[in-house]
Amino acid sequence: DVKVTQSSRYLVKRTGEKVFLECVQDMDHENMFWYRQDPGLGLRLIYFSYDVKMKEKGDIPEGYSVSREKKERFSLILESASTNQTSMYLCASSRGGRSRGYTFGSGTRLTVV
Amino acid sequence: GEDVEQSLFLSVREGDSSVINCTYTDSSSTYLYWYKQEPGAGLQLLTYIFSNMDMKQDQRLTVLLNKKDKHLSLRIADTQTGDSAIYFCAESPRNSGNTPLVFGKGTRLSVIA
Repeated sequence: DVKVTQSSRYLVKRTGEKVFLECVQDMDHENMFWYRQDPGLGLRLIYFSYDVKMKEKGDIPEGYSVSREKKERFSLILESASTNQTSMYLCASSRGGRSRGYTFGSGTRLTVV
Repeated sequence: GEDVEQSLFLSVREGDSSVINCTYTDSSSTYLYWYKQEPGAGLQLLTYIFSNMDMKQDQRLTVLLNKKDKHLSLRIADTQTGDSAIYFCAESPRNSGNTPLVFGKGTRLSVIA
């Protein structure tokens, strides 16, 4: 069963901590994405990557960075967590090309206190 | 820029049909998608339609596309309580294979028994 795995379902971190959210896919997909989901705001794209070691900013990259050292793994990094980064974080992957339905992970609910 | 609009809430009685509507802005979109998100889960791809099609049917789901009005709809026949979820419309903007999908904010469907 192909899937996207996010390492944690729930995380609680303190303000100022460095936070790593990990995402692994087993479908050999070229593209990987990080979104955050907040009530009333829908999905907002943070960063995406089309290939190993490549990254592109999405709509709300401030306060975040990413790492893609291997094709199957895409990490989201909160350099210094703040309370306004409390959210649901969703990772997704897709093949390259135009028929690009995404496969999503189950999400990580991060609370920053 | 690209934008996808959906109403935020829909409530229907069990056994009735549900129709979820979506408008998009990019006339060059090649694929349009419907995703479903159940409580506490990530998004799962329900169905998609290629832009040269007017309609696509898959069991209880019917997707209608009006390219002239840039209007997409998802009809769920014989709606069940298990259909209660958030439904997201998404478009693949422009003719580039690597432009991220643009998602609407999601429509929360509540099914009343």
